[in-house]
Amino acid sequence: DAGVIQSPRHEVTEMGQEVTLRCKPISGHDYLFWYRQTMMRGLELLIYFNNNVPIDDSGMPEDRFSAKMPNASFSTLKIQPSEPRDSAVYFCASSGRLAGGSYNEQFFGPGTRLTVL
Amino acid sequence: GENVEQHPSTLSVQEGDSAVIKCTYSDSASNYFPWYKQELGKRPQLIIDIRSNVGEKKDQRIAVTLNKTAKHFSLHITETQPEDSAVYFCAASTSKIIFGSGTRLSIRP
Repeated sequence: DAGVIQSPRHEVTEMGQEVTLRCKPISGHDYLFWYRQTMMRGLELLIYFNNNVPIDDSGMPEDRFSAKMPNASFSTLKIQPSEPRDSAVYFCASSGRLAGGSYNEQFFGPGTRLTVL
Repeated sequence: GENVEQHPSTLSVQEGDSAVIKCTYSDSASNYFPWYKQELGKRPQLIIDIRSNVGEKKDQRIAVTLNKTAKHFSLHITETQPEDSAVYFCAASTSKIIFGSGTRLSIRP
């Protein structure tokens, strides 16, 4: 397995533009997580899905952010319109849940470094 | 709300010495406690984890301890080496995972 795949790896855009980040989780994993990492705020969980259904989006900063998971092998995180303060590294991670409901290791993708000018 | 506090934020130790990073969590229902290592410019990667039914776990030079009563857990790295230099994150999970703020560990030669 190639691991969690994210694209693009780097994105530079201008304020006001729409940005779409993409993620392909590890095959067979039923949990998918989107994180944002900045020096100031550390690693923040934005939203996570279970079996393609959003479970908790309380970390999504504002309505400008939206995430979808149309099928088990693909998810997007969209920012519209983008602002300079959205500049960060965005990580996608996936995991499978052990029998009995216990959590298991999250595998992170390589991240997308977003710069909004 | 759920919270994980991590200390210290930075740690510098002499090569060969031990390093200890401590975390506390607020949600007593937390049952899984992973530790991630993130090298500069790379993704976080799991180095060790512990579940709430275990008090201690060891893997070579790395060990984690858990005190459920006090809601504390710690990472211990012995015989530190230059390649241990990185940012380390603790986390606690119940229905979702909460990460600590990270510890930047530097190993002095």
